Amino acid sequence: KQEVTQIPAALSVPEGENLVLNCSFTDSAIYNLQWFRQDPGKGLTSLLLIQSSQREQTSGRLNASLDKSSGRSTLYIAASQPGDSATYLCAVRANNNDMRFGAGTRLTVKP
Amino acid sequence: SQTIHQWPATLVQPVGSPLSLECTVEGTSNPNLYWYRQAAGRGLQLLFYSVGIGQISSEVPQNLSASRPQDRQFILSSKKLLLSDSGFYLCAWSSSGWYEQYFGPGTRLTVT
Repeated sequence: KQEVTQIPAALSVPEGENLVLNCSFTDSAIYNLQWFRQDPGKGLTSLLLIQSSQREQTSGRLNASLDKSSGRSTLYIAASQPGDSATYLCAVRANNNDMRFGAGTRLTVKP
Repeated sequence: SQTIHQWPATLVQPVGSPLSLECTVEGTSNPNLYWYRQAAGRGLQLLFYSVGIGQISSEVPQNLSASRPQDRQFILSSKKLLLSDSGFYLCAWSSSGWYEQYFGPGTRLTVT
Protein backbone atom coordinates (compact mmCIF):
# COMPACT_ATOMS: atom_id res chain seq x y z
CA LYS A 1 0.00 0.00 0.00
CA GLN A 2 1.38 3.37 -1.03
CA GLU A 3 2.27 5.68 1.87
CA VAL A 4 3.09 9.34 1.37
CA THR A 5 5.04 11.33 3.95
CA GLN A 6 5.71 15.04 4.03
CA ILE A 7 8.45 16.58 6.13
CA PRO A 8 8.47 18.96 7.87
CA ALA A 9 4.89 19.19 9.12
CA ALA A 10 5.30 22.93 9.61
CA LEU A 11 7.83 25.49 8.46
CA SER A 12 8.26 29.17 9.22
CA VAL A 13 10.63 31.34 7.18
CA PRO A 14 11.30 35.04 6.69
CA GLU A 15 10.13 36.70 3.50
CA GLY A 16 12.54 36.40 0.58
CA GLU A 17 14.02 33.06 1.62
CA ASN A 18 14.24 30.14 -0.79
CA LEU A 19 12.79 26.94 0.64
CA VAL A 20 12.29 23.26 -0.10
CA LEU A 21 9.36 21.08 0.87
CA ASN A 22 9.82 17.32 0.86
CA CYS A 23 7.55 14.47 -0.11
CA SER A 24 8.46 10.78 0.05
CA PHE A 25 6.53 7.73 -1.09
CA THR A 26 7.02 4.03 -0.49
CA ASP A 27 6.07 2.52 -3.86
CA SER A 28 8.06 3.79 -6.83
CA ALA A 29 5.57 2.42 -9.37
CA ILE A 30 3.69 5.67 -9.74
CA TYR A 31 1.74 7.17 -12.61
CA ASN A 32 2.24 10.80 -11.60
CA LEU A 33 2.76 13.11 -8.63
CA GLN A 34 0.86 16.32 -8.01
CA TRP A 35 1.58 19.24 -5.68
CA PHE A 36 -1.31 21.26 -4.26
CA ARG A 37 -1.77 24.35 -2.17
CA GLN A 38 -4.57 24.63 0.39
CA ASP A 39 -5.53 27.84 2.14
CA PRO A 40 -7.42 27.55 5.46
CA GLY A 41 -11.02 26.44 4.94
CA LYS A 42 -10.59 26.25 1.17
CA GLY A 43 -10.29 23.59 -1.47
CA LEU A 44 -7.02 22.45 -3.03
CA THR A 45 -5.35 24.38 -5.83
CA SER A 46 -3.20 22.38 -8.23
CA LEU A 47 0.33 23.76 -8.48
CA LEU A 48 2.33 21.27 -10.52
CA LEU A 49 1.86 17.83 -12.01
CA ILE A 50 4.84 15.61 -12.79
CA GLN A 51 4.30 12.54 -14.93
CA SER A 52 6.31 9.43 -14.05
CA SER A 53 8.51 9.92 -17.12
CA GLN A 54 9.43 13.49 -16.12
CA ARG A 55 12.11 14.71 -13.71
CA GLU A 56 10.80 18.18 -12.97
CA GLN A 57 8.20 20.81 -13.69
CA THR A 58 8.38 24.57 -13.25
CA SER A 59 5.76 27.27 -12.85
CA GLY A 60 6.89 30.77 -11.98
CA ARG A 61 8.75 30.68 -8.66
CA LEU A 62 7.87 27.02 -8.13
CA ASN A 63 9.92 24.03 -9.21
CA ALA A 64 9.00 20.44 -8.46
CA SER A 65 11.35 17.51 -8.95
CA LEU A 66 10.70 13.80 -9.00
CA ASP A 67 13.08 10.93 -8.27
CA LYS A 68 11.06 7.75 -8.60
CA SER A 69 13.92 5.40 -7.75
CA SER A 70 14.41 6.98 -4.35
CA GLY A 71 10.70 7.66 -3.81
CA ARG A 72 11.12 11.40 -3.39
CA SER A 73 9.80 14.67 -4.69
CA THR A 74 10.69 18.20 -3.68
CA LEU A 75 8.87 21.48 -4.14
CA TYR A 76 11.23 24.43 -4.36
CA ILE A 77 9.81 27.90 -3.73
CA ALA A 78 12.06 30.78 -4.69
CA ALA A 79 11.98 34.21 -3.06
CA SER A 80 9.12 33.34 -0.71
CA GLN A 81 6.37 35.89 -0.06
CA PRO A 82 3.78 36.20 2.73
CA GLY A 83 1.14 35.23 0.15
CA ASP A 84 2.82 31.83 -0.15
CA SER A 85 1.65 31.00 3.38
CA ALA A 86 -0.57 27.94 3.11
CA THR A 87 -0.52 24.18 3.51
CA TYR A 88 1.23 22.34 0.70
CA LEU A 89 0.14 18.80 -0.12
CA CYS A 90 1.68 16.23 -2.38
CA ALA A 91 -0.31 13.38 -3.87
CA VAL A 92 0.88 10.27 -5.66
CA ARG A 93 -1.20 8.43 -8.22
CA ALA A 94 -0.34 4.73 -8.45
CA ASN A 95 -2.87 3.77 -11.12
CA ASN A 96 -5.90 5.22 -12.85
CA ASN A 97 -7.80 6.10 -9.72
CA ASP A 98 -5.70 5.35 -6.66
CA MET A 99 -4.35 8.67 -5.39
CA ARG A 100 -2.65 8.97 -1.99
CA PHE A 101 -2.08 12.24 -0.21
CA GLY A 102 0.50 13.30 2.30
CA ALA A 103 -0.61 15.10 5.47
CA GLY A 104 0.88 18.36 4.20
CA THR A 105 3.44 20.95 5.22
CA ARG A 106 2.06 24.13 6.79
CA LEU A 107 4.18 27.02 5.54
CA THR A 108 4.29 30.45 7.16
CA VAL A 109 6.24 33.23 5.47
CA LYS A 110 6.84 36.13 7.83
CA PRO A 111 6.99 39.70 6.48
CA SER B 1 -12.52 26.78 -19.02
CA GLN B 2 -13.59 24.16 -16.53
CA THR B 3 -15.12 24.97 -13.17
CA ILE B 4 -16.30 22.81 -10.32
CA HIS B 5 -19.02 23.76 -7.87
CA GLN B 6 -19.98 22.35 -4.50
CA TRP B 7 -22.90 23.17 -2.26
CA PRO B 8 -23.69 23.91 0.37
CA ALA B 9 -20.50 25.58 1.58
CA THR B 10 -21.27 24.81 5.22
CA LEU B 11 -23.76 22.53 6.89
CA VAL B 12 -24.68 21.75 10.48
CA GLN B 13 -26.77 18.61 10.91
CA PRO B 14 -27.91 16.61 13.95
CA VAL B 15 -26.88 13.00 14.44
CA GLY B 16 -29.25 10.64 12.63
CA SER B 17 -30.34 13.15 10.01
CA PRO B 18 -29.89 12.56 6.25
CA LEU B 19 -27.24 14.19 4.11
CA SER B 20 -26.99 15.27 0.50
CA LEU B 21 -23.97 17.11 -0.87
CA GLU B 22 -23.82 18.05 -4.52
CA CYS B 23 -20.94 18.60 -6.90
CA THR B 24 -21.17 19.73 -10.51
CA VAL B 25 -18.51 20.29 -13.14
CA GLU B 26 -18.75 22.65 -16.10
CA GLY B 27 -16.71 22.90 -19.27
CA THR B 28 -15.75 19.27 -19.72
CA SER B 29 -17.40 16.00 -20.60
CA ASN B 30 -17.09 12.49 -19.21
CA PRO B 31 -14.85 13.52 -16.31
CA ASN B 32 -13.65 11.19 -13.59
CA LEU B 33 -15.24 12.42 -10.36
CA TYR B 34 -14.08 11.99 -6.77
CA TRP B 35 -15.32 12.57 -3.22
CA TYR B 36 -12.73 13.09 -0.47
CA ARG B 37 -13.03 13.78 3.24
CA GLN B 38 -10.49 15.80 5.17
CA ALA B 39 -10.78 15.42 8.93
CA ALA B 40 -9.22 17.99 11.22
CA GLY B 41 -5.43 17.56 11.31
CA ARG B 42 -5.50 14.62 8.94
CA GLY B 43 -4.83 14.03 5.29
CA LEU B 44 -7.36 13.57 2.53
CA GLN B 45 -9.20 10.29 2.42
CA LEU B 46 -10.71 9.13 -0.87
CA LEU B 47 -14.32 8.06 -0.31
CA PHE B 48 -15.73 7.40 -3.78
CA TYR B 49 -14.79 7.79 -7.40
CA SER B 50 -16.72 7.50 -10.64
CA VAL B 51 -15.57 7.01 -14.22
CA GLY B 52 -19.04 7.40 -15.73
CA ILE B 53 -22.77 7.75 -15.14
CA GLY B 54 -23.96 5.18 -12.63
CA GLN B 55 -20.43 3.83 -12.11
CA ILE B 56 -19.35 4.26 -8.49
CA SER B 57 -16.41 2.72 -6.68
CA SER B 58 -16.11 2.90 -2.91
CA GLU B 59 -12.75 3.10 -1.18
CA VAL B 60 -13.83 2.71 2.43
CA PRO B 61 -16.83 1.04 4.10
CA GLN B 62 -19.05 3.56 5.87
CA ASN B 63 -22.57 4.88 6.11
CA LEU B 64 -22.07 7.18 3.13
CA SER B 65 -23.04 6.55 -0.47
CA ALA B 66 -22.48 8.30 -3.76
CA SER B 67 -24.42 8.60 -6.98
CA ARG B 68 -23.79 10.04 -10.41
CA PRO B 69 -27.15 10.69 -12.05
CA GLN B 70 -25.69 12.86 -14.82
CA ASP B 71 -22.33 13.06 -16.56
CA ARG B 72 -21.14 16.09 -14.61
CA GLN B 73 -23.05 15.68 -11.36
CA PHE B 74 -21.81 13.77 -8.32
CA ILE B 75 -23.82 13.45 -5.11
CA LEU B 76 -22.71 12.29 -1.67
CA SER B 77 -25.46 11.03 0.61
CA SER B 78 -26.18 9.46 3.94
CA LYS B 79 -29.39 8.15 5.42
CA LYS B 80 -28.28 8.72 9.03
CA LEU B 81 -25.32 10.89 9.96
CA LEU B 82 -22.86 9.94 12.69
CA LEU B 83 -20.71 12.30 14.75
CA SER B 84 -17.67 10.82 13.02
CA ASP B 85 -18.99 12.07 9.66
CA SER B 86 -17.98 15.62 10.56
CA GLY B 87 -15.27 17.00 8.32
CA PHE B 88 -14.43 18.90 5.20
CA TYR B 89 -15.78 17.22 2.07
CA LEU B 90 -14.08 17.89 -1.20
CA CYS B 91 -15.17 17.00 -4.71
CA ALA B 92 -12.62 16.74 -7.49
CA TRP B 93 -12.51 15.93 -11.18
CA SER B 94 -9.92 14.80 -13.68
CA SER B 95 -9.93 14.07 -17.36
CA SER B 96 -9.85 10.42 -18.34
CA GLY B 97 -6.36 10.68 -19.78
CA TRP B 98 -4.28 13.30 -18.00
CA TYR B 99 -5.35 12.60 -14.43
CA GLU B 100 -4.46 16.01 -13.08
CA GLN B 101 -7.06 16.56 -10.36
CA TYR B 102 -8.94 19.80 -9.80
CA PHE B 103 -10.80 20.40 -6.58
CA GLY B 104 -13.96 22.22 -5.65
CA PRO B 105 -14.24 24.73 -2.78
CA GLY B 106 -15.43 22.09 -0.31
CA THR B 107 -18.30 21.67 2.15
CA ARG B 108 -17.71 21.98 5.89
CA LEU B 109 -20.02 19.48 7.63
CA THR B 110 -20.54 19.56 11.37
CA VAL B 111 -22.62 16.80 12.90
CA THR B 112 -23.95 17.74 16.34
